[in-house]
Amino acid sequence: GQQLNQSPQSMFIQEGEDVSMNCTSSSIFNTWLWYKQDPGEGPVLLIALYKAGELTSNGRLTAQFGITRKDSFLNISASIPSDVGIYFCAAYSLIQGAQKLVFGQGTRLTINP
Amino acid sequence: GAVVSQHPSWVICKSGTSVKIECRSLDFQATTMFWYRQFPKQSLMLMATSNEGSKATYEQGVEKDKFLINHASLTLSTLTVTSAHPEDSSFYICSARDLTESYEQYFGPGTRLTVT
Repeated sequence: GQQLNQSPQSMFIQEGEDVSMNCTSSSIFNTWLWYKQDPGEGPVLLIALYKAGELTSNGRLTAQFGITRKDSFLNISASIPSDVGIYFCAAYSLIQGAQKLVFGQGTRLTINP
Repeated sequence: GAVVSQHPSWVICKSGTSVKIECRSLDFQATTMFWYRQFPKQSLMLMATSNEGSKATYEQGVEKDKFLINHASLTLSTLTVTSAHPEDSSFYICSARDLTESYEQYFGPGTRLTVT
């Protein structure tokens, strides 16, 4: 099936540093979404991207929909302790006639104060 | 933003018993809800798509007779794990799509199931 390859799998950074993670695929997607999941919680939508080349910000977060429609990245600037968690990219894939959300493997972010 | 709730947030049951998990969209109507399973340190895996008023669509490898899904109204879907076994222990998460907001999909807080 269509897969999203997310990297890096984990990051260990100092508070205040910028963070960058990305997702790539061999398939073309029309929508890219970025979620954050805290331990024991469901994912929370951070940013949704609908157009190739689109660059969208949400506070300290910035995400871009790759021009080839096969990739997306998420940047977090000036990281703070509450940014700790697992970040997932996701994209809608047409599978057997239905739009289904597929997820990347996740990037686990750890911040040293 | 759209809110999705799940109940219970955690449950412990004995092997062989059945457990029902509820998923509700609190401030919007969802004709489609989704059920995911997440094992520790892994990503979310779609189990089934729940359609209001019709049968659920299950992903390959998911036993429909074991994971019973009912979507009786536009705001409620239930997942029943029948004859649970320890290997069914997992984090179950539902989500709902708000059709008025394009393709944005909102997730519930999850239900931690432990089968002893």
